[in-house]
Amino acid sequence: GQSLEQPSEVTAVEGAIVQINCTYQTSGFYGLSWYQQHDGGAPTFLSYNGLDGLEETGRFSSFLSRSDSYGYLLLQELQMKDSASYFCAVRDHNKLSFGAGTTVTVRA
Amino acid sequence: GAGVSQSPRYKVTKRGQDVTLRCDPISSHATLYWYQQALGQGPEFLTYFNYEAQPDKSGLPSDRFSAERPEGSISTLTIQRTEQRDSAMYRCASSLGQAKGEETQYFGPGTRLLVL
Repeated sequence: GQSLEQPSEVTAVEGAIVQINCTYQTSGFYGLSWYQQHDGGAPTFLSYNGLDGLEETGRFSSFLSRSDSYGYLLLQELQMKDSASYFCAVRDHNKLSFGAGTTVTVRA
Repeated sequence: GAGVSQSPRYKVTKRGQDVTLRCDPISSHATLYWYQQALGQGPEFLTYFNYEAQPDKSGLPSDRFSAERPEGSISTLTIQRTEQRDSAMYRCASSLGQAKGEETQYFGPGTRLLVL
């Protein structure tokens, strides 16, 4: 089975940097994905790490260390619109297993 | 289509009734997934299709749940004899495929099911 752990909530001010950690235990592992979900909206894809290291996409970066079963999502230059839930998800063969999500609240 | 669509967006039903939810994936996408999402939780995998084949239905909670994709495009998820614990958001997602670079999943708006 799969087990993913991420913090439940993070609060930060506009312009700040937030790091959301994700640790996982899985029977199979193909990669770690990150999704953003606004209240009432659908999950939208942010980033994917199939190999160790850092992937950068604009203000968002994601990191993976397979030997540590650990990854993180880094949100830089926080904006109010970044207030949302963020999910890490492990790709195991043909399906995604999601964490419970981290609610990020951005304050002015 | 331009994105994944689902219908109905909301469904209220009485315990014991059957419901069928529909998903229309992005037109070029071979792979289609069904998830159940409880409030405040991440999506939980139910089943998936490659075209019309259904290689994995390990996430379906009971034999009351079934899904099909007979022509490899639109899919339906049917819940028979609904129970209150089936109340949740049901989300569909699709991807180009499952090979490297094709696996990004795009989610639909979901169907909110309420069983009274």
